Amino acid sequence: EAEVAQSPRYKITEKSQAVAFWCDPISGHATLYWYRQILGQGPELLVQFQDESVVDDSQLPKDRFSAERLKGVDSTLKIQPAELGDSAMYLCASSSSGTSGVEAQYFGPGTRLTVL
Amino acid sequence: AQSVTQLGSHVSVSEGALVLLRCNYSSSVPPYLFWYVQYPNQGLQLLLKYTSAATLVKGINGFEAEFKKSETSFHLTKPSAHMSDAAEYFCAVRKERRALTFGSGTRLQVQP
Repeated sequence: EAEVAQSPRYKITEKSQAVAFWCDPISGHATLYWYRQILGQGPELLVQFQDESVVDDSQLPKDRFSAERLKGVDSTLKIQPAELGDSAMYLCASSSSGTSGVEAQYFGPGTRLTVL
Repeated sequence: AQSVTQLGSHVSVSEGALVLLRCNYSSSVPPYLFWYVQYPNQGLQLLLKYTSAATLVKGINGFEAEFKKSETSFHLTKPSAHMSDAAEYFCAVRKERRALTFGSGTRLQVQP
């Protein structure tokens, strides 16, 4: 069964350092999402890609966060510099781009970031 | 903006008892609704989705949910809880082909 791959699974860093997360969506899925999940809360969207284009990055803190999906396949999310409040689970999800709009999103295992 | 409200951040049931997790949505049009389950330190797994084809939706692991437009609800149920059902459950709504908006989650505990 195809899965969304993410790495690393866990990352510990000190504040002011740079961190990067990688995501490889299910093959053929044109839409890719990055969510942030703070402990005890539901995931919240950071950025949505359609192929290589950004569809929605309205909740992405652009002063320190960046995301790219250069060839429309895998994606990288970067934080520079990391702050204590960035400690969270970062989840990547993908979906196909059907016309009904009801296509499910499939999630990777996430990257647990701890900023010290 | 579309949103979902999950009533009860923690639910505890005995093994073999009925599971009922509540979700209410706010939407001006028939929404796309989903239930996901999350085990500790893992990603989210899709349980079921509402496609408007039927109001009673069956999912994996014996779970099902009923869409009630008059009550703007999409509650998740399972007739008999199993220890392996202990996890966090999220209801989510989606507008067209946009991202999901999640509820705050309900942690299900199953007592032996």
